[in-house]
Amino acid sequence: DTGVSQDPRHKITKRGQNVTFRCDPISEHNRLYWYRQTLGQGPEFLTYFQNEAQLEKSRLLSDRFSAERPKGSFSTLEIQRTEQGDSAMYLCASSAMTSGTSYEQYFGPGTRLTVT
Amino acid sequence: AQSVTQPDIHITVSEGASLELRCNYSYGATPYLFWYVQSPGQGLQLLLKYFSGDTLVQGIKGFEAEFKRSQSSFNLRKPSVHWSDAAEYFCAVETYSGGGADGLTFGKGTHLIIQP
Repeated sequence: DTGVSQDPRHKITKRGQNVTFRCDPISEHNRLYWYRQTLGQGPEFLTYFQNEAQLEKSRLLSDRFSAERPKGSFSTLEIQRTEQGDSAMYLCASSAMTSGTSYEQYFGPGTRLTVT
Repeated sequence: AQSVTQPDIHITVSEGASLELRCNYSYGATPYLFWYVQSPGQGLQLLLKYFSGDTLVQGIKGFEAEFKRSQSSFNLRKPSVHWSDAAEYFCAVETYSGGGADGLTFGKGTHLIIQP
């Protein structure tokens, strides 16, 4: 069990550029979640996948945000036309979910985005 | 809508003293509740969880929490804190939709400071 990994750990970009973050979940976990955490706040849920299906995306912050998990393994989160307000820590988590039973989410170290 | 309130933004405790961090939740169904800890530069680590059964749950690092349905609370406790416990602590509730368990709703966190 190597844990949840995220890449890159830090990203600095200019306003208006597109950025993409990658998350690799724990290998046997079928659920993958994305959260955003701003300074002084708790993480804010954005979206999640069960296998390759995106089951909730209404909480994505705007249509500039999108996420994919094409083969049910790793996932990417893309932000188009970045704005300074997008500066935050983006966290990924994974869990094993079967038959509606909940299991705890394990978090990765996060990707810190700074938009200049 | 579900919400989590952590009324104490900062708490200062002397090393060796006992600790209680407060958490109140608002959720219409039976909640799944969690406490996570986040150290500077580190990801979120799960301390403990409550799914059902015994309302007093034990976690890692000597922490425990008690679920009180009548008070909608899930307070975290530790009998004797160590300097290494200094960190940010987050309480979270898991929410549900038609597809089963969804993302976590987090409180804003409590920053724990340990005095020597």
